Amino acid sequence: QKEVEQDPGPLSVPEGAIVSLNCTYSNSAFQYFMWYRQYSRKGPELLMYTYSSGNKEDGRFTAQVDKSSKYISLFIRDSQPSDSATYLCAIPSGGYNKLIFGAGTRLAVHP
Amino acid sequence: NAGVMQNPRHLVRRRGQEARLRCSPMKGHSHVYWYRQLPEEGLKFMVYLQKENIIDESGMPKERFSAEFPKEGPSILRIQQVVRGDSAAYFCASSPLGGSDYEQYFGPGTRLTVT
Repeated sequence: QKEVEQDPGPLSVPEGAIVSLNCTYSNSAFQYFMWYRQYSRKGPELLMYTYSSGNKEDGRFTAQVDKSSKYISLFIRDSQPSDSATYLCAIPSGGYNKLIFGAGTRLAVHP
Repeated sequence: NAGVMQNPRHLVRRRGQEARLRCSPMKGHSHVYWYRQLPEEGLKFMVYLQKENIIDESGMPKERFSAEFPKEGPSILRIQQVVRGDSAAYFCASSPLGGSDYEQYFGPGTRLTVT
């Protein structure tokens, strides 16, 4: 079993839709949960991160962690074509210096 | 404030040659991390360095790969005698001294093609 699992998609939605991106993880000791966005042929960009359980909101983006089911989510409200990218969940491990990435979900928002 | 810089952005090497990838961390950052992204695969951790020290190289292949972060100058990821399987995007990330190691900021990557 992989430590972090993420459905690679692709996911195609119309502009304005609410997008839900998800990951599961296997190690209950994980405490921090990161979301990165990667545009084609670019480096990953840190979007937001959460500590332990609960929600965190930043503009149109909301990150949610459910530690009881080892499930993390990123919601995008009012999605825009500029949100079209690959979204990667990542979890710090090994003293927090080593990020374990999911496979990434490719999102396409069409006008 | 410049972000993480990597060069070259694209590198083509023939099998058996050496590849040198460079990374300059963000200003004020002293921790450097290297990750590899193989085609259609996720990012995989390779190595974590601080100035003049390798802290964690658990993701580095045992042979042909080495990394350094000298007191002066950029961090270097070196691949000797490259093979076709080394073709990938190599990303460098950095985090600040005294900050949170998990809050890593990535560079644009070097795309290595081995012919």
